[in-house]
Order: sequence, then structure tokens, then C-alpha cells
Amino acid sequence: NAGVTQTPKFQVLKTGQSMTLQCAQDMNHNSMYWYRQDPGMGLRLIYYSASEGTTDKGEVPNGYNVSRLNKREFSLRLESAAPSQTSVYFCASTILAGGSYNEQFFGPGTRLTVL
Amino acid sequence: DAKTTQPTSMDCAEGRAANLPCNHSTISGNEYVYWYRQIHSQGPQYIIHGLKNNETNEMASLIITEDRKSSTLILPHATLRDTAVYYCIVKLDAGNMLTFGGGTRLMVKP
Repeated sequence: NAGVTQTPKFQVLKTGQSMTLQCAQDMNHNSMYWYRQDPGMGLRLIYYSASEGTTDKGEVPNGYNVSRLNKREFSLRLESAAPSQTSVYFCASTILAGGSYNEQFFGPGTRLTVL
Repeated sequence: DAKTTQPTSMDCAEGRAANLPCNHSTISGNEYVYWYRQIHSQGPQYIIHGLKNNETNEMASLIITEDRKSSTLILPHATLRDTAVYYCIVKLDAGNMLTFGGGTRLMVKP
């Protein structure tokens, strides 16, 4: 099992450009998440998808859109990138949101720089 | 979800036990204590979680005080590979979100 995979690993954008970050998991998990991590800070939740067909805003959703393409894939789109979106983006998944056992498995991250 | 307070950084000698404290004085009865760690540049990794009782797994032990207002993560024999940022997170049983604070940067030294 590859676990949670993310593409690309690195990306440099100019202000105003758009791009989509891809995430896929092969663990048959129902719930998927997108976080961002700024230098020296903890992770902040952008959006999550509790199950296929549903998405919800997290703590910092402004400037982002998401698509739960199918059970395996959850993409994050920046429509018009801004320097404030320079960050490391992590995707995560878990078997089922909620419940007493809710270990989240994280991908390796996408390092995004917006000039 | 309850807020947590952790020391910014700690050092530990290789082979010794690392004891990482966490205060969560506003924790409510149905909130769990989770610990994750993040080794440099990697995605966070789950370590352990608990509600009331002490818990142990192959990675660590979690000691929760009787009033549940604080907890301690114990790495019994720290190695250099345990150098990481450790996050203590309090989360509702039914909640979706993990709220990561600043964490404790643990440096294991030879």
C-alpha cells in the first residue's frame, strides 16, 4: 500500500496563477482532509470530506476550493494564488470521521511558493 | 475542542525516557487526548490516544491525570530518530478536525 500520495511535491506559482493539488489514498478510507502548515506553525485545516460526495469548510477555507472526485481522490484548487498561500500542504485520510478511534494518515506534503 | 498548552522545546539524552507534558485544563468529559508527531519536513504521524485510562502501545505510553486536566507522553527509550515536534491534541469523539497547536520540539541528543 502506498498510503496517502500527493502531487506535485514542489510547485512555484506567480501571483494570480491557478493550480490543483492532487491527493489519493489506497486504504479505502471514507474521510479525507486538506491542511496547510506555515513555517514554524502547527497545521490548520482548510477543507475536509467526511465521506464521498460531501465537503465542508475547515478553519482557513478562503481562497481554496475542493473536489472529492471519488472515494480515493480529494483535490485542492487555488483559483488565483496569492503570496499568503505560500505554505506546505498536507493531505490526510481516516477510516471514518468521528468515532473514538480516528487516526489520520498523512501524505508527504506539497511545498508551494507563490511569488 | 479544548485548548492545549505544551512547552516549546525539550531535550532528552539518547536511551533515556522522554516525558512530554500537556495541559488541557478545559477538557470536557467526551474529549479524547491524541498525540501526533512530525519529523522534519514529513507529514504528522499518529502516536497514541486516550480518554481516561493510561494507554500503552509499541511507540509510547500516555498517562492522563485523574482529573484529566493534564497528560504526559512517555517515550521509554528515546532514540535520535525520535527528534521531532510532538503535538498534543484534544478532540471530541465525534469531531472531524484535529487542531494542531505549536507542539513541543523534542531534541534527542547523543
